[in-house]
Amino acid sequence: AQSVTQPDIHITVSEGASLELRCNYSYGATPYLFWYVQSPGQGLQLLLKYFSGDTLVQGIKGFEAEFKRSQSSFNLRKPSVHWSDAAEYFCAVENQGGKLIFGQGTELSVKP
Amino acid sequence: EAGVVQSPRYKIIEKKQPVAFWCNPISGHNTLYWYRQNLGQGPELLIRYENEEAVDDSQLPKDRFSAERLKGVDSTLKIQPAELGDSAVYLCASSSRDRDGYTFGSGTRLTVV
Repeated sequence: AQSVTQPDIHITVSEGASLELRCNYSYGATPYLFWYVQSPGQGLQLLLKYFSGDTLVQGIKGFEAEFKRSQSSFNLRKPSVHWSDAAEYFCAVENQGGKLIFGQGTELSVKP
Repeated sequence: EAGVVQSPRYKIIEKKQPVAFWCNPISGHNTLYWYRQNLGQGPELLIRYENEEAVDDSQLPKDRFSAERLKGVDSTLKIQPAELGDSAVYLCASSSRDRDGYTFGSGTRLTVV
């Protein structure tokens, strides 16, 4: 069955430090992969997506993610975190039926 | 572009009462989804519509949940009767035929007391 694992429930980084949020997926075919961000009381905002092609994907707000088929991973990165990046981050895979399967989420806290 | 609009934003009801949520998707998006997000969890699909047809409702608890999408545009999700365990955020999303990402609404936070 398809699944998404985000191993880190909560991460704290200092403002200006680099960030990497981990995501591993289980899916038989070539996956469609997504990263979403959710601020408190808000819906989910799409950061970036991977369908095919270049395995390094650029997104909004300075985020990028790299698809590594050999590791079944799609980790999200940002070189320098801002206080406004504090939020919940969700990785998701779309199955062939058009259903998004989400991970549990990683809560990011940013220290001043 | 207005985005996906949901109402109400918040709802508090007593158990065994009915409740309904409304969603207006992005104009031209033929696919509409209802997701439920429990506290501390990722969203889980309840139902997916292609135009006015429900093409995946396998996760919808049909004994108490119902949904409709009249004319393939707006959609309502209803719970009757509500149970304590239904407390969650109910998210609506829509996407276009080319699947260029999904757009989520702000959600309805339901509290059943």
